Amino acid sequence: DAGITQSPRHKVTETGTPVTLRCHQTENHRYMYWYRQDPGHGLRLIHYSYGVKDTDKGEVSDGYSVSRSKTEDFLLTLESATSSQTSVYFCAISPGGHEQYFGPGTRLTVT
Amino acid sequence: GESVGLHLPTLSVQEGDNSIINCAYSNSASDYFIWYKQESGKGPQFIIDIRSNMDKRQGQRVTVLLNKTVKHLSLQIAATQPGDSAVYFCAENSGYSTLTFGKGTMLLVSP
Repeated sequence: DAGITQSPRHKVTETGTPVTLRCHQTENHRYMYWYRQDPGHGLRLIHYSYGVKDTDKGEVSDGYSVSRSKTEDFLLTLESATSSQTSVYFCAISPGGHEQYFGPGTRLTVT
Repeated sequence: GESVGLHLPTLSVQEGDNSIINCAYSNSASDYFIWYKQESGKGPQFIIDIRSNMDKRQGQRVTVLLNKTVKHLSLQIAATQPGDSAVYFCAENSGYSTLTFGKGTMLLVSP
């Protein structure tokens, strides 16, 4: 998976609780991305980063925040989880903002 | 949870056949395209990319064709094998450093 790890790989949480997902890369790539994947919708971009402390919103950013304090780590936080945020979350990295390489995913269930 | 492959168009082929998977893209200004393969329970895997100044690009057992006139992309897999069974989807650049993904096609290869 191109030197990308995601943690946790599976999580079950209750509605209203905060959740943080971590993406870690060993490739020293500049760009990092968070996506969610749902049946019928494909991959949708939540937030992305083009450098340390440089982030921007994607298509479905409401209810999510991100932080990137180091090149290798990109954190996705659900401030107050809702059932609609039950999904599989993928992190991706890119050296130059074109080709993207994906991590193994995190399956999140909000009950 | 539901598989990402539910509700997707499906292409069923016999082992050894050639497979052709099609994708229509939306933005005539897109200048970069990628094909990904996603096996069940895994992250998307980069297969091959092509830039808009090319009509065709070949990889190992795969060929991507780009028809900009009709905004159509295809992935040809030669001598399809059972290990090629997966969901395949295309992506186009939607900004300088972001991609928009299609919903995908499921390829089923019978021995």
